[in-house]
Amino acid sequence: DTGVSQDPRHKITKRGQNVTFRCDPISEHNRLYWYRQTLGQGPEFLTYFQNEAQLEKSRLLSDRFSAERPKGSFSTLEIQRTEQGDSAMYLCASSRTGPREQFFGPGTRLTVL
Amino acid sequence: AQTVTQSQPEMSVQEAETVTLSCTYDTSESDYYLFWYKQPPSRQMILVIRQEAYKQQNATENRFSVNFQKAAKSFSLKISDSQLGDAAMYFCAYKGPGGPALGGSQGNLIFGKGTKLSVKP
Repeated sequence: DTGVSQDPRHKITKRGQNVTFRCDPISEHNRLYWYRQTLGQGPEFLTYFQNEAQLEKSRLLSDRFSAERPKGSFSTLEIQRTEQGDSAMYLCASSRTGPREQFFGPGTRLTVL
Repeated sequence: AQTVTQSQPEMSVQEAETVTLSCTYDTSESDYYLFWYKQPPSRQMILVIRQEAYKQQNATENRFSVNFQKAAKSFSLKISDSQLGDAAMYFCAYKGPGGPALGGSQGNLIFGKGTKLSVKP
């Protein structure tokens, strides 16, 4: 069990640029979640995959955000035309089916200048 | 909509002492799950303890235990014999039952704002 990994760990970008983050879940986990965490707050749900199907999206996920999990393994989260308000920690988590523990990755810290 | 409230932004405890972190939640569901997660500084979030709402017995994991009061919608975390390594942000989280077809979510967690725990040597 190598744990959930995320890449990059830190990203600094200028407003208006596009960024893409990657998440590699624990290999036998078929569920994958993206959360966003701003300073002083708990994580907020963005979107969720079961295998390759994106089954749920939060209203927080504006049209500038898109997530994929093409082969049911790793996932990418892309933010287009970044805004300063997008600055946050983006967390990925994975789990098995059912009310199982979600294992979190270390996160990608995004700073939009 | 379900909400989770942690009313203590910061707490402090002396090493080897006991501390209790508070959490209340709001839901109309009868079947759900509650979690406490720990997030050490610059490190990833890990599960401390979980509680199924249908279980009357309070969950325990070594030095960590919960006081689950379903009627009061309260879910506090007690840390006994506090250690320096317990210093972290602690988040209370709720997960509802079922999927979208049942009017619920597929399992995303709803978090409180967290409590920062400091442990004094």
